[in-house]
Amino acid sequence: GAGVSQSPSNKVTEKGKDVELRCDPISGHTALYWYRQSLGQGLEFLIYFQGNSAPDKSGLPSDRFSAERTGGSVSTLTIQRTQQEDSAVYLCASSAQVNYGYTFGSGTRLTVV
Amino acid sequence: DAKTTQPPSMDCAEGRAANLPCNHSTISGNEYVYWYRQIHSQGPQYIIHGLKNNETNEMASLIITEDRKSSTLILPHATLRDTAVYYCIVRPPRSNTGKLIFGQGTTLQVKP
Repeated sequence: GAGVSQSPSNKVTEKGKDVELRCDPISGHTALYWYRQSLGQGLEFLIYFQGNSAPDKSGLPSDRFSAERTGGSVSTLTIQRTQQEDSAVYLCASSAQVNYGYTFGSGTRLTVV
Repeated sequence: DAKTTQPPSMDCAEGRAANLPCNHSTISGNEYVYWYRQIHSQGPQYIIHGLKNNETNEMASLIITEDRKSSTLILPHATLRDTAVYYCIVRPPRSNTGKLIFGQGTTLQVKP
């Protein structure tokens, strides 16, 4: 597509439920990144996929968070047993190559009640 | 990873040039300087990046000092729509991952 697409744009979930957030990167982009941004805070790196290499999971805050990227394209970020502190905007970005600038999606605003 | 230091906030008059400074005194020889901005309630937007030469594109100019310890992002004719948080980021070496680590950035307020 023309840009990075994320869905849903908004998600409200009850504490303890699992959620899945989806990211469709720009076609042909080999690198994909997930970040999150809590209210009034900066961007926090979560995970990075590059081609067929093992993902860099160093930013995932706990084992309740996981992500996969199927077929080198679409990525899903899964949060299990959501907690209120998981409330944030989850941003996905892709880039054509490692040295290229990122294109960000509009994000998914997750609210855990 | 090299770290960056930016002023937390700046003002600029509409139509004037906005000069946003960034210090990266511990930058390594193969690390790039990237600039992004985030307009309220939107995802960050790539602006420009460079290694050691000055760069210019349709959005901005990037001036990197000869010793590479600092840089300045220049928006030549700021508009109200340029009000945003501007992030200066030094990208880790290519041999590692391509992830960008965002700091707190500079909040630029363009005033009429």
